[in-house]
Amino acid sequence: KNEVEQSPQNLTAQEGEFITINCSYSVGISALHWLQQHPGGGIVSLFMLSSGKKKHGRLIATINIQEKHSSLHITASHPRDSAVYICAVRGFGNEKLTFGTGTRLTIIP
Amino acid sequence: NAGVTQTPKFRVLKTGQSMTLLCAQDMNHEYMYWYRQDPGMGLRLIHYSVGEGTTAKGEVPDGYNVSRLKKQNFLLGLESAAPSQTSVYFCASSSTLTGGINQPQHFGDGTRLSIL
Repeated sequence: KNEVEQSPQNLTAQEGEFITINCSYSVGISALHWLQQHPGGGIVSLFMLSSGKKKHGRLIATINIQEKHSSLHITASHPRDSAVYICAVRGFGNEKLTFGTGTRLTIIP
Repeated sequence: NAGVTQTPKFRVLKTGQSMTLLCAQDMNHEYMYWYRQDPGMGLRLIHYSVGEGTTAKGEVPDGYNVSRLKKQNFLLGLESAAPSQTSVYFCASSSTLTGGINQPQHFGDGTRLSIL
């Protein structure tokens, strides 16, 4: 069983819809990362959080440490948000990340 | 501002051939990583380095070797390529964990490698 589970695996939505992507993990962590992989393949770090909530533009990331769960929300979704969103966790005292398999998001105009 | 640069971007090899993938970063980062990405699987760590002259095995190190002779460069070698090593390879770097505060990883654009 993967230590990091994402849901859904694939998500298609209409432009303007509110998007939620979920990430659950099974071990204690020091930080959780959300990354975006564009169709061209490049990977960009969106958020790194260890508690609470962070917001950047139309993107919001939340984490509940007790429930070992994080969500990534996109408000007013746009076709340019179409990408694979990847959740990754870092254990305590660990330089390494463990990655989920990603959620492929497609926003239709 | 180049960030993390990987070369080459694409390569096709025959089984048994060898090659080296180069990763260069210009952010003075201590940590560097090599990952492979395969369909239906998350990024998996091959090898990593926490500083110049040091390397360590990750999750899937077999069939690969690495070297970090200079702080800015991290080389990934395939001594005898096998079809199972067909994958997209990503290099990443990050600064040292400072005061327990995590730092994000910066990724290269990837190298698509096919082994025939």
